[in-house]
Amino acid sequence: DQQVKQNSPSLSVQEGRISILNCDYTNSMFDYFLWYKKYPAEGPTFLISISSIKDKNEDGRFTVFLNKSAKHLSLHIVPSQPGDSAVYFCAASYTGFQKLVFGTGTRLLVSP
Amino acid sequence: GAVVSQHPSRVICKSGTSVKIECRSLDFQATTMFWYRQFPKQSLMLMATSNEGSKATYEQGVEKDKFLINHASLTLSTLTVTSAHPEDSSFYICSARGVQGADTQYFGPGTRLTVL
Repeated sequence: DQQVKQNSPSLSVQEGRISILNCDYTNSMFDYFLWYKKYPAEGPTFLISISSIKDKNEDGRFTVFLNKSAKHLSLHIVPSQPGDSAVYFCAASYTGFQKLVFGTGTRLLVSP
Repeated sequence: GAVVSQHPSRVICKSGTSVKIECRSLDFQATTMFWYRQFPKQSLMLMATSNEGSKATYEQGVEKDKFLINHASLTLSTLTVTSAHPEDSSFYICSARGVQGADTQYFGPGTRLTVL
């Protein structure tokens, strides 16, 4: 049972445009969500997180939006840069639950 | 801050031997560390949760006698793959719960294990 889903395995965007990566979850207990970026043969790098008490969190070019009623979150990257090309994982957790549940990842390719 | 290192970055071993992978939190104390495995083009699969000073908690389907985890200090956890076989070849990644929010995990760079 995949509790966190990233339905788009890949996304291609031109440099300077907005990248929107989507993530859906099924477990209503989740109250903390994170996005990680991963290059091949490297560990994931933490990007940004959001708690369920918020619906938006912004950090530089990265903004995460949370729609609790739809059990959906998205990561917006604007403007996109070629260096953003990587695999992006969303992850979810809830208070008292030590583990993170990861989605399957979306490969982002930003072309010059 | 929140740097996690892993050693070695890659290792090649013969079938039947044991391999130890170290995970260190360099600038913070990690009471909880996690070990993941990633297969090609797949997501991260949590293998076990390691709490300092206690036995690791393994996920369903992960053999605890094959994947030995020790978390002897607040900055070091080790994963030993015992009697390795070619099907154990994979990318192993550790993480540690960090300072930026109790639920944020910071990952090591990973270890590529190849069993011949």
